[in-house]
Amino acid sequence: SAVISQKPSRDICQRGTSLTIQCQVDSQVTMMFWYRQQPGQSLTLIATANQGSEATYESGFVIDKFPISRPNLTFSTLTVSNMSPEDSSIYLCSVEVISGRTSAVDTQYFGPGTRLTVL
Amino acid sequence: GQNIDQPTEMTATEGAIVQINCTYQTSGFNGLFWYQQHAGEAPTFLSYNVLDGLEEKGRFSSFLSRSKGYSYLLLKELQMKDSASYLCAHLGQAGTALIFGKGTTLSVSS
Repeated sequence: SAVISQKPSRDICQRGTSLTIQCQVDSQVTMMFWYRQQPGQSLTLIATANQGSEATYESGFVIDKFPISRPNLTFSTLTVSNMSPEDSSIYLCSVEVISGRTSAVDTQYFGPGTRLTVL
Repeated sequence: GQNIDQPTEMTATEGAIVQINCTYQTSGFNGLFWYQQHAGEAPTFLSYNVLDGLEEKGRFSSFLSRSKGYSYLLLKELQMKDSASYLCAHLGQAGTALIFGKGTTLSVSS
């Protein structure tokens, strides 16, 4: 498994400002993902962040709005830019842990999430 | 395309058995996952199926039929702490990130 921490755990921000969310993992991982979970909804993938390359964004998400950094194999940041109330959500970092065994699955583990409220 | 359907809500009583169904459509299948998410917490991994059949893990079991695009999560001897959302997911087309259904909120009462 993997231990994942996120900072901040929650924040209240003003419209038009930006917030950078940090994700730290206790081991080196190749694949890191950022998800959004709006109130009462399931998880929606924002982007996949691989070290050494630009993040790959899902339909409906763009780099200008959600720039991502992945400077090394244990850390990533997601910035929510020029925020509006519609960005109020929980943002979750996730990593894929490679089992190394053909009999076991490569599993995704999630961080505790960052609860963002935009006024 | 990719589509996952599961019931929005279910209720059950302590000690009972509940089955949460999930149907999916995907152009490339790489496995079906179930996650549990308690309110205000991150999702936690429950099970994974890539071959047809039933995988049993304690009180929880998961079933997969690839030909029918169907899975279910079976929870036995329900406890109050099982009240949570249960998320069905499969790997996306790139075979890396998980794509989630909307989740089933299970309420267990005494």
